[in-house]
Amino acid sequence: QVQMVESGGGVVQPGKSLRLSCVASGFTFRTYAMVWVRQAPGKGLEWVALCSRDGRNEYYADSVKGRFTISRDDSKNTLFLQVNSLRPEDTALYYCARVAEMATIFDNWGQGTLVTVSS
Amino acid sequence: EIVLTQSPATLSVSPGETATLSCRASQSLSSNLAWYQQKPGQAPRLLIYDASSRATGIPARFSGSGSGTEFTLTISSLQSEDFAVYYCQQYKNWPPWTFGQGTKLEIK
Repeated sequence: QVQMVESGGGVVQPGKSLRLSCVASGFTFRTYAMVWVRQAPGKGLEWVALCSRDGRNEYYADSVKGRFTISRDDSKNTLFLQVNSLRPEDTALYYCARVAEMATIFDNWGQGTLVTVSS
Repeated sequence: EIVLTQSPATLSVSPGETATLSCRASQSLSSNLAWYQQKPGQAPRLLIYDASSRATGIPARFSGSGSGTEFTLTISSLQSEDFAVYYCQQYKNWPPWTFGQGTKLEIK
């Protein structure tokens, strides 16, 4: 079955960096666009970044543009999110999700990895 | 950026009854709207796309309607497992892909 497993989260100080990973299985990873969506504690969902299925196109939320970089390694069925210059407001559970074939909706989600930015 | 406003913030309904959740867009979405369900401690799950199409495996008691700027998610014959938070999401104009702030459906 379709599965995504995120990792790489942790507690970091403001200004530091992390690299989040999402290993996918159960589908042909290279044929799907992928996204990161985050959820601050007790809050709603916020789309963060999207990587096209060929990796050529990347889109970012204004709140992370210039600090976060999405990428993929199709040989390892893995999606990444490099998060730099972290701020307290980046504290959230970061989900990776698959973009459906028929529209930019998110049809399968991982369980998330928690990033806490605190001094 | 398209803003989605969900109402009410919290909805209290008894099991077996029908819940009606609303999502209003700041500009026309045509039918490019999806609904997700999120239970405590779980990832969101896609319920509805294209305003009214059920995703794979979603029970028929979940139905979506609307177009343009007004959308509704209706859950009939509420089951205990349906009490959760529901989000709408637009994919008409992007980036960004935006979500509503959520409606919490609680047991009355």
